[in-house]
Amino acid sequence: AQKITQTQPGMFVQEKEAVTLDCTYDTSDPSYGLFWYKQPSSGEMIFLIYQGSYDQQNATEGRYSLNFQKARKSANLVISASQLGDSAMYFCAMRYYNAGNNRKLIWGLGTSLAVNP
Amino acid sequence: DGGITQSPKYLFRKEGQNVTLSCEQNLNHDAMYWYRQDPGQGLRLIYYSQIVNDFQKGDIAEGYSVSREKKESFPLTVTSAQKNPTAFYLCASSILRGKGDEKLFFGSGTQLSVL
Repeated sequence: AQKITQTQPGMFVQEKEAVTLDCTYDTSDPSYGLFWYKQPSSGEMIFLIYQGSYDQQNATEGRYSLNFQKARKSANLVISASQLGDSAMYFCAMRYYNAGNNRKLIWGLGTSLAVNP
Repeated sequence: DGGITQSPKYLFRKEGQNVTLSCEQNLNHDAMYWYRQDPGQGLRLIYYSQIVNDFQKGDIAEGYSVSREKKESFPLTVTSAQKNPTAFYLCASSILRGKGDEKLFFGSGTQLSVL
């Protein structure tokens, strides 16, 4: 069965330092995609980065990069040079196709990141 | 600015009452979605729609209903059959490109509580 696991309920990082948020996944579907979203206290989810299962290179978007290790089934989010505004919940999600070839998206439970000044 | 507008931000429901959550988008996206978020849980899909006048049940559709009469609008009704409606509700939209990398754009959510 498909599964997304975020093992870190909460993380702290010092401003300007880098931080890695963990995400492991499980799927037997060879074609899948991994997303990271940020949810500030205001509530809306904000897309950060996407990695497809067939992508050869790790995805990067500004200060965000995805450390994609396919054999280990991990897709960790790396935030470089943390800023106070990075304090939020971070969710990992996986897109896969079910037995009926319908596209599905499952979500992890999230990691709360606090950036200390 | 283009985006998704959800209203109201806070909503209270009495026993036996139906309530409707509004979601409007001006991004010209074909697909729209309703998610439920409970504390300590990941998002769960309630309903989604890929085209006007058509919608599909998600994983937790029981006790909810939707309509898609206009491309821009996808209201969610929480009926009295939903016995545990207290949650944060998020509306989202996306393009439909078929590549599977379509990102979701979210509204700012509605917190529904039961009186």
